[in-house]
Amino acid sequence: QVQLVQSGREAKKPGASVKVSCRASGYTFSHFGITWVRQAPGQGLEWVGWISAYSGDTSYAQKVQGRATMTTDTSTSTAYLDLRGLRSDDTAVYYCAKSQDYFDTSGPSPKGFRRLEAWGQGTLVTVSS
Amino acid sequence: SSELTQDPAVSVALGQTVRMTCQGDSLRNYYASWYQQKPGQAPVLVMSGKNNRPSGIPDRFSGSTSGNTASLTITGAQAEDEGDYYCNCRDGSGHHPFGGGTKLTVL
Repeated sequence: QVQLVQSGREAKKPGASVKVSCRASGYTFSHFGITWVRQAPGQGLEWVGWISAYSGDTSYAQKVQGRATMTTDTSTSTAYLDLRGLRSDDTAVYYCAKSQDYFDTSGPSPKGFRRLEAWGQGTLVTVSS
Repeated sequence: SSELTQDPAVSVALGQTVRMTCQGDSLRNYYASWYQQKPGQAPVLVMSGKNNRPSGIPDRFSGSTSGNTASLTITGAQAEDEGDYYCNCRDGSGHHPFGGGTKLTVL
């Protein structure tokens, strides 16, 4: 079955960097994307960005643009999120998710959508002085 | 602020029907996906596209879209359906923001 296993919790000081890993199994890693999502304590889900494991194309949320780098290693089926210049508001549980784009033509107006089909267990990143 | 708007909280009596909505201009051009999250757990996909349920999700869950509003309906809500529900949809810049989430309470 599909599994995404993330690295362990991290405690960092403001201004530092963190690298979270997400090892996938149970599917052909390079055929899908990986979406990163975070959730601050007591808050909702926040989309962080996406990477295609096939092409390496990326898309980042404005809040992390310029500070985040997403990469993949297809030889180990692992995705990475590198976040630099950490701030206290980066404190959150970070999730990776296997993502796939679809196009539904069954209705009168065909539309696309993305499914986050399986999620990692989450990695708590705490930023505090 | 989120580009997708959800009601913060909804309640439903056990066995009754509840509809949760997600509003946003991007829903005119793209379908939403819906995720259920229970305390201390990772989210789980419960609905996507026009009305596509992943395997393992009970058929009491259904989805629909009209104009700028996507809906997730639970027909005959069960106690185990309690949790937070988030919609997610592509926007015009190719990003995929989440709605603010709806906390569902089953009474």
